[in-house]
Formats: sequence, structure tokens, C-alpha cells
Amino acid sequence: GESVGLHLPTLSVQEGDNSIINCAYSNSASDYFIWYKQESGKGPQFIIDIRSNMDKRQGQRVTVLLNKTVKHLSLQIAATQPGDSAVYFCAENRGTSYGKLTFGQGTILTVHP
Amino acid sequence: DVKVTQSSRYLVKRTGEKVFLECVQDMDHENMFWYRQDPGLGLRLIYFSYDVKMKEKGDIPEGYSVSREKKERFSLILESASTNQTSMYLCASSSPQGEGTDTQYFGPGTRLTVL
Repeated sequence: GESVGLHLPTLSVQEGDNSIINCAYSNSASDYFIWYKQESGKGPQFIIDIRSNMDKRQGQRVTVLLNKTVKHLSLQIAATQPGDSAVYFCAENRGTSYGKLTFGQGTILTVHP
Repeated sequence: DVKVTQSSRYLVKRTGEKVFLECVQDMDHENMFWYRQDPGLGLRLIYFSYDVKMKEKGDIPEGYSVSREKKERFSLILESASTNQTSMYLCASSSPQGEGTDTQYFGPGTRLTVL
């Protein structure tokens, strides 16, 4: 069936490096995408979102890129810090009602000092 | 800031007990959701509600029920807890109005262990 998935389950980087976390989706009807960060023992925290009429959106140290042609979403974190270590999820709204989201499995980001 | 709170961070119950998990949001959101999160399975939707007294089954409703008597409160009920319901339970809320309307905001989670 259709699903949101991640290319890599784990990513290790050095402090100060840039991180890129990827996500593939398969439903062309999806019109809204979100990245969440989940630290150990906590609930997911909203990072940044993007609608399907955009291909790039920037926040503070984070950028989300959307390539609708290949159905690919990425999260870029600039100057990664140890506090960025967490699990990162992508989520998509497949055009359903009531704001239901479909979540990816998550990527574990580990930042080494 | 959006605030979603859950009644307990950790809970230990015995098989067969009736378990209530409470969730409260303070942003007047119409939509509320209950998920469970298990290693390797990600977030799975149990039930959601789009208005007071309205509820819809998610992907894994078996063994669970919900109640939404007030807009700000959404309760998850395990009628007879079983060991396979040991999990992290996450509540979320969202609003259908305005830009970024589908963003779900999550509570801190309840780690439930059923013995």
C-alpha cells in the first residue's frame, strides 16, 4: 500500500556539520507535509511544514525541500548541534478530512560533539 | 503556545483492568487524536474526534474506545487491558481553520505497562 517512508533509519554527524534527512512519499494527492522532532521520552514536536504549492521553506536553521516530481521530501539542519539529536518524522496529509496525517517510521539523528 | 497535556507520564496496570488515559488541549482545537507508538511500527492512529461527541475509528481501534464530552478533553479507554497494549500513547490536537491547519500538536505521551 501507499506509505510515507524514510531512506535511512539512522544518521550520525559531527557537531557543526549540516544534516539532511530524507523522506519518500507515494501518494500524489498529498498536499501538506510536516517534519517533527521527537526527543527520548517526549512527544513529537513540530519543526516545519510545507504545502504542495511550494518547493522550499526555511525556518531557523532548518530548511524543507519538496520535490513533487519524484515525491521526495527532505529536512536540512544547518550547523547541527548535540541538542538536535532525536528521532525525526515526516508526515503527510493525503487530502483526507479532519486533518488526518500519515507518519513515516522516523530517522535517528545522532550528533557527536 | 499550544499546550496538550496528558494525565500521566507513566502508568502500570494489570491485565483485565479498565484504563483511562486523559488528554486536554487549551487551544480550542476541533480535532483530537490518539496514537500508540511502538518500536519499528511508528505512530499508529487508534481513534480521532472532529467535534464534541463525534468520533471515528483509526487504523487500530480494536480493544479501545474513546470519549469526548467536552471540546478540550479527549479520553482513551482500554476496556480490559492486555499485555499487548503495553505501549507509548500519544495524544494530539489540530484545528481546521487558517494556514497550517493540519499541524497536529502532541502531548508528552503516557508510557503504559500492562502486567
